[in-house]
Amino acid sequence: GDSVTQMEGPVTLSEEAFLTINCTYTATGYPSLFWYVQYPGEGLQLLLKATKADDKGSNKGFEATYRKETTSFHLEKGSVQVSDSAVYFCALLHGGYQKVTFGIGTKLQVIP
Amino acid sequence: EPEVTQTPSHQVTQMGQEVILRCVPISNHLYFYWYRQILGQKVEFLVSFYNNEISEKSEIFDDQFSVERPDGSNFTLKIRSTKLEDSAMYFCASSEGTGRLSNQPQHFGDGTRLSIL
Repeated sequence: GDSVTQMEGPVTLSEEAFLTINCTYTATGYPSLFWYVQYPGEGLQLLLKATKADDKGSNKGFEATYRKETTSFHLEKGSVQVSDSAVYFCALLHGGYQKVTFGIGTKLQVIP
Repeated sequence: EPEVTQTPSHQVTQMGQEVILRCVPISNHLYFYWYRQILGQKVEFLVSFYNNEISEKSEIFDDQFSVERPDGSNFTLKIRSTKLEDSAMYFCASSEGTGRLSNQPQHFGDGTRLSIL
């Protein structure tokens, strides 16, 4: 079945550091890929998406590129802020199915 | 921006009691979903709902669970005879339901934390 693997963390970075959170997936066919973010005390918010190979999703300075050859969708940001502290979930949605498959979530803590 | 809203934010219930979790999906969305996240574990799909019927469900969604759209705006998850292991965060989500489903992100609510005592 479908699965998503991401580093659990926590990841602790200083403000303005470069962020990478790795995400790899296993799925047949051509799923769509997503990053969701959960700020403390809040729900899951869609951060960005990519629906086909080589697509780059971007939002709020975050980027991720759909790499079919490596089955990866790594999240990057050039300069993190304290306000980026949250849990980040990599996820996939498979055509023909309706369930989103989530990774375990990676907690990011940015310190001033 | 339209949001999925869930009530209550926290529900405490005695084991064996019935509980109903409520959700108001985004108004023009046609597909509705429930997920749960047990503390420290992955977010897991429970059920999807379209055109007033269940369209897909997971192994977790057994006879203890039911969903309903009682009116034009609410979408509910009922858990009969709750067990300790039902303690989790329950998320409602919705998506537009037009075009290719896998291209449409699901929009989530803030969740209801269910605590079974």
